[in-house]
Amino acid sequence: GQNIDQPTEMTATEGAIVQINCTYQTSGFNGLFWYQQHAGEAPTFLSYNVLDGLEEKGRFSSFLSRSKGYSYLLLKELQMKDSASYLCAVREGYPNAGNNRKLIWGLGTSLAVNP
Amino acid sequence: NAGVTQTPKFRVLKTGQSMTLLCAQDMNHEYMYWYRQDPGMGLRLIHYSVGEGTTAKGEVPDGYNVSRLKKQNFLLGLESAAPSQTSVYFCASSHRPWTPVLQETQYFGPGTRLLVL
Repeated sequence: GQNIDQPTEMTATEGAIVQINCTYQTSGFNGLFWYQQHAGEAPTFLSYNVLDGLEEKGRFSSFLSRSKGYSYLLLKELQMKDSASYLCAVREGYPNAGNNRKLIWGLGTSLAVNP
Repeated sequence: NAGVTQTPKFRVLKTGQSMTLLCAQDMNHEYMYWYRQDPGMGLRLIHYSVGEGTTAKGEVPDGYNVSRLKKQNFLLGLESAAPSQTSVYFCASSHRPWTPVLQETQYFGPGTRLLVL
């Protein structure tokens, strides 16, 4: 079946580095997304990986290994404002496929950044 | 650009009442989605639309109806609200990618918090 696993909660210290893991089991794969969601707000897009390797965007990086069904989000130089939930989502099929419009969402990892 | 907007932001309904949630986007996106988000359940797709005049069911469509009469608007209706529909509802939209490998990023509205008593 379809499944995405992420740790439920993580805690880190301001200025540190944290790695949030995501493992997935899906019948197909056409991209993995990371979203950030602050409490009471909407998810906002952080990164996208479709090929193996590391994608870097400022303080945030995302890694993908398709053979292992594994991704991680790396947050460097943590700030208090990084306290949020981080959602991993996988697209199984091609974007233009008629029936496969949905993303499969993980439950999210709640990250608390402490001073 | 306002991006994706949703109205209302918060609503309280009694069981059996009906209501319509409105989603509007000004990014000329072809695709639009309605999700609900519940603690411990994550985001679940209710209905989606790949273009004006077309809609399709997602994972949890029962008890909801949708319409997309205009490209920029996507309406979610609850005909007879039930306490199980208490949730936070998010609308999202995205461009139709012109190649299969081009990412299709979904942009979310601020959400509607619905409480059904």
